Amino acid sequence: KQEVTQIPAALSVPEGENLVLNCSFTDSAIYNLQWFRQDPGKGLTSLLLIQSSQREQTSGRLNASLDKSSGRSTLYIAASQPGDSATYLCAPANQAGTALIFGKGTTLSVSS
Amino acid sequence: SQTIHQWPATLVQPVGSPLSLECTVEGTSNPNLYWYRQAAGRGLQLLFYSVGIGQISSEVPQNLSASRPQDRQFILSSKKLLLSDSGFYLCAWSPDTTYEQYFGPGTRLTVT
Repeated sequence: KQEVTQIPAALSVPEGENLVLNCSFTDSAIYNLQWFRQDPGKGLTSLLLIQSSQREQTSGRLNASLDKSSGRSTLYIAASQPGDSATYLCAPANQAGTALIFGKGTTLSVSS
Repeated sequence: SQTIHQWPATLVQPVGSPLSLECTVEGTSNPNLYWYRQAAGRGLQLLFYSVGIGQISSEVPQNLSASRPQDRQFILSSKKLLLSDSGFYLCAWSPDTTYEQYFGPGTRLTVT
């Protein structure tokens, strides 16, 4: 059974810092991996999708890497802003691509 | 562009009452559809997914059921709600190519 762990559970940083969010998963047989953002009381916004054959994806100030063999993914946020404050969720998909398994997330607070 | 709708946005129901939550997707055809639940203090959990009309797979045994009466409509139901059914219910869709999942705004269900 796939288990997903996200470290740290919470993070507070001043505006402008670069930061790294970590995700580890126990089963390396994944179809892809998605990173999401969730604002309080809201649905999930997809940030980045990494296919199992890829090593990284970039979108603006966000960069996600995937090391499938070691069961790890990281989300790098450059030059953090107060608007980045949210919970970030990592979710590898099962081998069929039909189910995402979520970690409990990292709650980020960026102060101005 | 594709849009996913969920209603109602919030719902307060007594124990033992029935439930019907609706999800519709616009701007795509033959999407994969998913129902997730986010309970307080717990991660997102996949409840059901569907790869086509009438094709429903259940991930977690419980008193909930799902139906897909039309290509872009997904319904979550219960005949008798339990207190433990309280939570944030999220619908998602994905194309059957990339399997990247896109989430709706969610329904907050409180069972009293």
